[in-house]
Amino acid sequence: EVQLVQSGAEVKKPGATVKISCKVSGYTFIDYYMNWVQQAPGKGLEWMGLVDPENGETIYAEKFQGRVTITADTSRDTAYMELSSLRSEDTALYYCAPNSRYRVPKYWGQGTLVTVSS
Amino acid sequence: SYELTQPPSVSVSPGQTARITCSGDALPKEYAYWYQQKSGQAPVLVIYEDNKRPSGIPERFSGSSSGTMATLTISGAQVEDEAAYYCYSPDSSGNHWVFGGGTKLTVL
Repeated sequence: EVQLVQSGAEVKKPGATVKISCKVSGYTFIDYYMNWVQQAPGKGLEWMGLVDPENGETIYAEKFQGRVTITADTSRDTAYMELSSLRSEDTALYYCAPNSRYRVPKYWGQGTLVTVSS
Repeated sequence: SYELTQPPSVSVSPGQTARITCSGDALPKEYAYWYQQKSGQAPVLVIYEDNKRPSGIPERFSGSSSGTMATLTISGAQVEDEAAYYCYSPDSSGNHWVFGGGTKLTVL
């Protein structure tokens, strides 16, 4: 059974950096790219970027380029998403979601709520 | 940057057919994928590669794509199909993925 367990909720001040983890089990970590998706309260889904766990190569959405860093630790079967220079608009639920045999995510983490507030 | 455009809302009565559209310039070249998201839950993949259903998705869900528009069709919509639906597809490079803005489906 595929499981994706994300780290817990975070409260950060504007300008700070947050790093969220996503521990996977139930499949071979390096087999599928890992995506990160942002969802602000009451808003839609926004693709942030992905990492190829096998070689660490990343692709980022233009909106987050320069502020987001996505990494993968194959020794821990864990992916990470770090977002810097936080602002109030970054208050959101963040999901990790690996691609699947369908080419896109089928399984999703439980989401990590990040609140940015002074 | 690339955008996928969806109507904000669609409303149908139970048993009617609901159609949700998604337009994007790269859709003639790239597949469309569709997610259902119910309130407080993670998204669920309901259609992949324009018109295929993952295992476990009811047959009333179908997809099609023509030119720059993809369509999700729910034939005989049920109350439990009330949710937000998102199309998902990459830009013409195939590398940068985008979600549509989402469509709130109301069935009542």
